[in-house]
Amino acid sequence: ETGVTQTPRHLVMGMTNKKSLKCEQHLGHNAMYWYKQSAKKPLELMFVYNFKEQTENNSVPSRFSPECPNSSHLFLHLHTLQPEDSALYLCASSQEAGVRNQPQHFGDGTRLSIL
Amino acid sequence: AQKITQTQPGMFVQEKEAVTLDCTYDTSDPSYGLFWYKQPSSGEMIFLIYQGSYDQQNATEGRYSLNFQKARKSANLVISASQLGDSAMYFCAMRGPNRDDKIIFGKGTRLHILP
Repeated sequence: ETGVTQTPRHLVMGMTNKKSLKCEQHLGHNAMYWYKQSAKKPLELMFVYNFKEQTENNSVPSRFSPECPNSSHLFLHLHTLQPEDSALYLCASSQEAGVRNQPQHFGDGTRLSIL
Repeated sequence: AQKITQTQPGMFVQEKEAVTLDCTYDTSDPSYGLFWYKQPSSGEMIFLIYQGSYDQQNATEGRYSLNFQKARKSANLVISASQLGDSAMYFCAMRGPNRDDKIIFGKGTRLHILP
């Protein structure tokens, strides 16, 4: 079983749909992250949760709404997305946010396509 | 501001040869951490190796080693005896010492191992 599991792996949705991405980590970590990876652009951090509290919102549009009910689960709720939101969305976790030498462990990502 | 630069968008290497992937960084902090990640076509970002700015020795993890040249602000990844399974995108990343510092990623290098 992988340490960080993301579902679904692929998602196609229209601009008026509402959907949610799910991330679950089995590593006992306390920090979780959402990243967006678009073609030919560096990985962009979207949100950070540390001990269930949101500590970072990197100027993400409100059509993306994160939820962290506990340290093991992280959701990204999507509504009225735009075509430019099509990307690979990666979830990651680490022991604790803001510690210099701790690597983040990533899931396989959800490849999102907006029609 | 911190910055990561990977100047090689793509590389082709013969199987069993050693590979060096370049990474330079810019920061005014004396304390920082450097990471390398591998991303196969499946999408998952796999943590490979970490180097702290105060570490006296270059980091090594199996076939991976980090050629850390602090004065030149260079943190090249060396893969010894390359294998077909090493074909992937490779990302260099850095984090500063402060609690609210984010990990920043380079644009990546796509490595192709030729049989």
